[in-house]
Amino acid sequence: AQSVTQLDSHVSVSEGTPVLLRCNYSSSYSPSLFWYVQHPNKGLQLLLKYTSAATLVKGINGFEAEFKKSETSFHLTKPSAHMSDAAEYFCVVSLLGGKLIFGQGTELSVKP
Amino acid sequence: DGGITQSPKYLFRKEGQNVTLSCEQNLNHDAMYWYRQDPGQGLRLIYYSQIVNDFQKGDIAEGYSVSREKKESFPLTVTSAQKNPTAFYLCASSMPGQGATDTQYFGPGTRLTVL
Repeated sequence: AQSVTQLDSHVSVSEGTPVLLRCNYSSSYSPSLFWYVQHPNKGLQLLLKYTSAATLVKGINGFEAEFKKSETSFHLTKPSAHMSDAAEYFCVVSLLGGKLIFGQGTELSVKP
Repeated sequence: DGGITQSPKYLFRKEGQNVTLSCEQNLNHDAMYWYRQDPGQGLRLIYYSQIVNDFQKGDIAEGYSVSREKKESFPLTVTSAQKNPTAFYLCASSMPGQGATDTQYFGPGTRLTVL
């Protein structure tokens, strides 16, 4: 069965420091993986997606994620946090047929 | 502008009333989805539709109904049978045919509160 686990429900960083949001997945086949961001009372915006073309995926707003099959991980990183990065982030795995399984979400706080 | 619109942004309902949430897309996507989001939780799938005049139940369909009479529209009705309807509702669409790489694009959401 496919599943996704976000290891931290809340992460707090200072502006200008690196961001690491952790995600592990479980899948019986090579999955497609996504990271979405959600600002308060807004819809979800796609940050990036992995579709087996390259293990290091670059997304919008300076974010990137690395697919590590041996560790079943797809962690999201950014070298330098900005205040506008404060939001909730969802790691998502796609099932065959297009249905999505969402992680519980990680709330990112950025301190000035 | 291409995108997904949901209306209204905020909706209040009295207990025992049905209410319909609107979702419209002009992306020419075949598939559309409805999700429910509760505080501190990820999204849960209510219903989805891969093509006009066809739809399937998701993981939490009880107390909800949908229709798909037009490609661009996928309204969700929250019925009085839904025991805990207060939540944030998100609509999404995608273009299937790309296997597991389908990307879903989301609307801005409707926050429903039952008084």
